Amino acid sequence: GAGVSQTPSNKVTEKGKYVELRCDPISGHTALYWYRQSLGQGPEFLIYFQGTGAADDSGLPNDRFFAVRPEGSVSTLKIQRTERGDSAVYLCASSSGQVSYNEQFFGPGTRLTVL
Amino acid sequence: TQLLEQSPQFLSIQEGENLTVYCNSSSVFSSLQWYRQEPGEGPVLLVTVVTGGEVKKLKRLTFQFGDARKDSSLHITAAQPGDTGLYLCAGLLGGSEKLVFGKGTKLTVNP
Repeated sequence: GAGVSQTPSNKVTEKGKYVELRCDPISGHTALYWYRQSLGQGPEFLIYFQGTGAADDSGLPNDRFFAVRPEGSVSTLKIQRTERGDSAVYLCASSSGQVSYNEQFFGPGTRLTVL
Repeated sequence: TQLLEQSPQFLSIQEGENLTVYCNSSSVFSSLQWYRQEPGEGPVLLVTVVTGGEVKKLKRLTFQFGDARKDSSLHITAAQPGDTGLYLCAGLLGGSEKLVFGKGTKLTVNP
């Protein structure tokens, strides 16, 4: 079956603009995660959805970042008033939510560049 | 402060050599996962270890979870150029659903 997909694969924007990043999880996976990976670093947790609700948004850096998952499948990460420091690869992962040790499957990421 | 410390950060070896990558923490994890990531792609799950002292083998890769569930190691036997990539360890703290990642070990295996 299809894995996690993310669009766009690359996004270049100007400082101050608004961007939306989309994630399509593996079909049937109830849990969805967003991470951010800066150059030379491991992924850093942003937000976790169980179904439609954000179960843990403690990793969102500030109120310019927001994510939704209205129907419990596709999710959109929204960044307002982008800053150069937002440049990174944004990764999405999903899991079935049915095993206690939570194996997560990642998409290829969206590389965001803020000029 | 990094919750999971990986070492070495970079490793360049010749084909056929053995290597070990370490992942250490002062925190106890309910489970620990190892991922491999190639440029332009997302991390791919290699293995999950959940029991202290557990050893798992995946072909030439051997993964060990420390008895106290605070550390883990990845050993590769007879490395091949296809093993080249970024190896990431990631742990789940008890009661949490979010993975905490190390910075990764960038492995290059030269033919």
